[in-house]
Amino acid sequence: DGGITQSPKYLFRKEGQNVTLSCEQNLNHDAMYWYRQDPGQGLRLIYYSQIVNDFQKGDIAEGYSVSREKKESFPLTVTSAQKNPTAFYLCASSIRTAFSNQPQHFGDGTRLSIL
Amino acid sequence: ELKVEQNPLFLSMQEGKNYTIYCNYSTTSDRLYWYRQDPGKSLESLFVLLSNGAVKQEGRLMASLDTKARLSTLHITAAVHDLSATYFCAVGSEKTSGSRLTFGEGTQLTVNP
Repeated sequence: DGGITQSPKYLFRKEGQNVTLSCEQNLNHDAMYWYRQDPGQGLRLIYYSQIVNDFQKGDIAEGYSVSREKKESFPLTVTSAQKNPTAFYLCASSIRTAFSNQPQHFGDGTRLSIL
Repeated sequence: ELKVEQNPLFLSMQEGKNYTIYCNYSTTSDRLYWYRQDPGKSLESLFVLLSNGAVKQEGRLMASLDTKARLSTLHITAAVHDLSATYFCAVGSEKTSGSRLTFGEGTQLTVNP
């Protein structure tokens, strides 16, 4: 079955530590996205990538970094510069063709907490 | 900058009743999506709306789009407990923002017996 796999499901970060969240998709989608969701709130876009080796900042990119070396993979690093990283992180992917009407598909999320 | 507002943010309703969730957006859009999220879970796609006057229905849920008013509605008919979840609308514009979407804050729906 095609889908998006995020790992780990739960992650704990120590002070001053960088942590990396994994996102892998086998849907052959060109575009991938990272969102942050705080309790009781909507989704905010961190970074997105519409093609391999290219990515753009979203609305809240400070303290985060990404890479897109392979079509299937879009890892997110939460750096020590992100002072309030506790949140639910969702990865998504979509077909990237002009005026595509297909929705973004979401992974099951990673819940990040500070130790 | 595209802004998306949903209302109400919280909705508590009795089983068997009807209600509507509203999604307003600030600038021209060429596509609108509705998603459902169960507590602690991921988002599940419900509807894709692309053109003015578009209407989609699935079970007790019906979504519509008025691009002139920049408004989409999600109507719930004869609610049942299983519909309890948070519902998000998301709006995109290929011309101004490519494939990225802007999400509303979500409407937390609780259906009581």
